[in-house]
Amino acid sequence: DADVTQTPRNRITKTGKRIMLECSQTKGHDRMYWYRQDPGLGLQLIYYSFDVKDINKGEISDGYSVSRQAQAKFSLSLESAIPNQTALYFCATGGGSSYNEQFFGPGTRLTVL
Amino acid sequence: QQQVKQSPQSLIVQKGGISIINCAYENTAFDYFPWYQQFPGKGPALLIAIRPDVSEKKEGRFTISFNKSAKQFSLHIMDSQPGDSATYFCAASLNDYKLSFGAGTTVTVRA
Repeated sequence: DADVTQTPRNRITKTGKRIMLECSQTKGHDRMYWYRQDPGLGLQLIYYSFDVKDINKGEISDGYSVSRQAQAKFSLSLESAIPNQTALYFCATGGGSSYNEQFFGPGTRLTVL
Repeated sequence: QQQVKQSPQSLIVQKGGISIINCAYENTAFDYFPWYQQFPGKGPALLIAIRPDVSEKKEGRFTISFNKSAKQFSLHIMDSQPGDSATYFCAASLNDYKLSFGAGTTVTVRA
């Protein structure tokens, strides 16, 4: 079983809809991250959390919100999706003896029409 | 504004050749420089990393060269194989458990 899972893997939605992307991990890590990947831009940090009570904005948090429901679960929400939020979204974890290494999920491809 | 600038955007190399990807940074406080490898349909995975107190680190066919004075580091893939075809990201960290990524380089190895 994968250590970091993301659901759904693909999603098509319409402008103005609320959508939630979910991430779960079995690595026991405290740190969790949400990134978006766009061609030519690399990976941009949206939000990150170092424990259940700690939530921080990243480089591009506008239009997004997150919830850390438990150590193992970190959800990303788009309150009112817009077409330029069409991207590949990755969840990642970090912690323990891995120092700064981050472990990425398989990604969610989101299309906003 | 990206804190780490990566080039080239893409490269094609023949099997057995050398692939070289370059990254440059401005913040001299960065203290950890990893490279991530991403295959199509997968998330990135750590390939190799270096700290600024060494100038080179080698793991198998992959080598990081680090030039602290120039604020540059590069990934060399020796004896490139078709299985190395992937997107490679450089990154840098301030010891704050966050990574700033470069824009990525798509490497295609022709058989």
